[in-house]
Amino acid sequence: QQQVKQSPQSLIVQKGGISIINCAYENTAFDYFPWYQQFPGKGPALLIAIRPDVSEKKEGRFTISFNKSAKQFSLHIMDSQPGDSATYFCAANKAAGNKLTFGGGTRVLVKP
Amino acid sequence: GAGVSQTPSNKVTEKGKYVELRCDPISGHTALYWYRQSLGQGPEFLIYFQGTGAADDSGLPNDRFFAVRPEGSVSTLKIQRTERGDSAVYLCASSLRSQGGTQYFGPGTRLLVL
Repeated sequence: QQQVKQSPQSLIVQKGGISIINCAYENTAFDYFPWYQQFPGKGPALLIAIRPDVSEKKEGRFTISFNKSAKQFSLHIMDSQPGDSATYFCAANKAAGNKLTFGGGTRVLVKP
Repeated sequence: GAGVSQTPSNKVTEKGKYVELRCDPISGHTALYWYRQSLGQGPEFLIYFQGTGAADDSGLPNDRFFAVRPEGSVSTLKIQRTERGDSAVYLCASSLRSQGGTQYFGPGTRLLVL
């Protein structure tokens, strides 16, 4: 049972380009949606998160767009840099619960 | 310490053996989580501790898996009669509070069952 579906599985973008990763969820009880960045051999690190009372959140070059009616949210990485090359995971959580449900991940490669 | 630490970083064992994986959370964090990450997949929840007690163990795949946190800080994940399918990265995370707190992950223990 995959409660959070993530796409694409991988993407290649040129330096300075925009990386876009999409996620869709099924459980309407989810109300916290973080994105994690993971480098090889490291644990996931929180990048940015959003709650469904807003439709967009921006932190530096990273922006989350949230569509509650469609049960979808996406991560935009603006001005992508080679150092952004990593695997990105969307996740979802319920306020009354604690466990994160992760998407399958997107491997991003930024070419210089 | 500055972050969540996990030991060992790598563990190779033989099918049928018993293993213990250790997690040291960030000091002061009351909530501790274990996840399992298979190659090319997202982490999957195993168990969550609030203090010393397991508040949610719904993700443990079977009774070969067990975890403890006797003093509310360090936690140990124990796997009995290991199987090749147990091979994965076992991640530990901690958060300052149980609900709504950011989960900070350790580097993981890479378990390989031969």
